[in-house]
Amino acid sequence: AQKITQTQPGMFVQEKEAVTLDCTYDTSDPSYGLFWYKQPSSGEMIFLIYQGSYDQQNATEGRYSLNFQKARKSANLVISASQLGDSAMYFCAMREGMNRGSTLGRLYFGRGTQLTVWP
Amino acid sequence: NAGVTQTPKFQVLKTGQSMTLQCAQDMNHEYMSWYRQDPGMGLRLIHYSVGAGITDQGEVPNGYNVSRSTTEDFPLRLLSAAPSQTSVYFCASSELSAASTETQYFGPGTRLLVL
Repeated sequence: AQKITQTQPGMFVQEKEAVTLDCTYDTSDPSYGLFWYKQPSSGEMIFLIYQGSYDQQNATEGRYSLNFQKARKSANLVISASQLGDSAMYFCAMREGMNRGSTLGRLYFGRGTQLTVWP
Repeated sequence: NAGVTQTPKFQVLKTGQSMTLQCAQDMNHEYMSWYRQDPGMGLRLIHYSVGAGITDQGEVPNGYNVSRSTTEDFPLRLLSAAPSQTSVYFCASSELSAASTETQYFGPGTRLLVL
């Protein structure tokens, strides 16, 4: 079974509008971390936001926020006030065993969502 | 501070050839990983290392070898290249912050074409 599922291959949003990119995950480990990365057409991977399974509040980083619903095992990325430069591929990822150093660097990625922002 | 560097940026191989993808980081991170990215598949973990001298397999290790003789370097070796290994390869390094969160830094990637 896939550990990370992103069901939206592509999303379109108008500039200045908000958009939500979906991510669901599957793990039985109580300690895990969820990450979102942006990959523009140039190819580099850019870290956006992190949410730990024990974090009480949803993570926020500027225009990015993570809608973390633990019971539903979802970790959706919300981008507010979209900009043309937000057009990119977005990946959700998870690391299990956040309380174990031995799992550092072992991320499971979803297949990504291609976001297109139009003027 | 160059971060994570990868060489080469592009490579074309013939089936059966061997080569090494280089990865280096100057942040003194203990944890390093190799991923491959295929269209529609996201990134998949090939091998990872939790410190010099210690490596382990990820999701898709077949056809690849790694070693970690120093903290800085983590080369990925293709023993006998196959067309199925055509992909973009990313190296990454990680640190665990005092807040028990993780920051993973990715290199720029190596595009490999196996004919």
